[in-house]
Amino acid sequence: DGGITQSPKYLFRKEGQNVTLSCEQNLNHDAMYWYRQDPGQGLRLIYYSQIVNDFQKGDIAEGYSVSREKKESFPLTVTSAQKNPTAFYLCASSDFREQETQYFGPGTRLLVL
Amino acid sequence: AQSVTQPDIHITVSEGASLELRCNYSYGATPYLFWYVQSPGQGLQLLLKYFSGDTLVQGIKGFEAEFKRSQSSFNLRKPSVHWSDAAEYFCAVVVVNFGNEKLTFGTGTRLTIIP
Repeated sequence: DGGITQSPKYLFRKEGQNVTLSCEQNLNHDAMYWYRQDPGQGLRLIYYSQIVNDFQKGDIAEGYSVSREKKESFPLTVTSAQKNPTAFYLCASSDFREQETQYFGPGTRLLVL
Repeated sequence: AQSVTQPDIHITVSEGASLELRCNYSYGATPYLFWYVQSPGQGLQLLLKYFSGDTLVQGIKGFEAEFKRSQSSFNLRKPSVHWSDAAEYFCAVVVVNFGNEKLTFGTGTRLTIIP
């Protein structure tokens, strides 16, 4: 059963703590993306990766970091430098032959304690 | 830079009534256009997309959308809504950029269905 999985569903962060959100896909897609969703603001692109071991900053990359060591995995780390991390985080992927069309995972809600 | 406007933040429709959600984009050329739906606490599901050709596109769950170049619009329609259609709907546009395609989203329209 192909798809995108994100874990955990809920994540709590303490002040000054780094946390990592997992995103895995078994669709054999080349590109992967991370978005942040805040109420009333739609989705904003954090980072994206077209191929393994390469990634680019999106519109709001400050305070975040990513890695792409495997094609199927694209973890996002929310660092202590991100002063307002409370949001819903969505991972997406797209196939090389149809990169315009992105498919989304179920999301992770990050809350600050 | 491209932008997407969804002028209606919240729409309430009776079950069985018709629905139209508005979307306007700002871009010099014809972009690729999408509609996604999001149920509470869930990810986004692709409803339909327009790249070229017939300006009326059919999607899943009985939805359709019409591209009107003269109005820079891509409105989503459904002839008869069901209670399960209650969700948030996002219009999005992609600018093709030689492998660096990026989705730009509107701020969404929340749809409430009343009996």
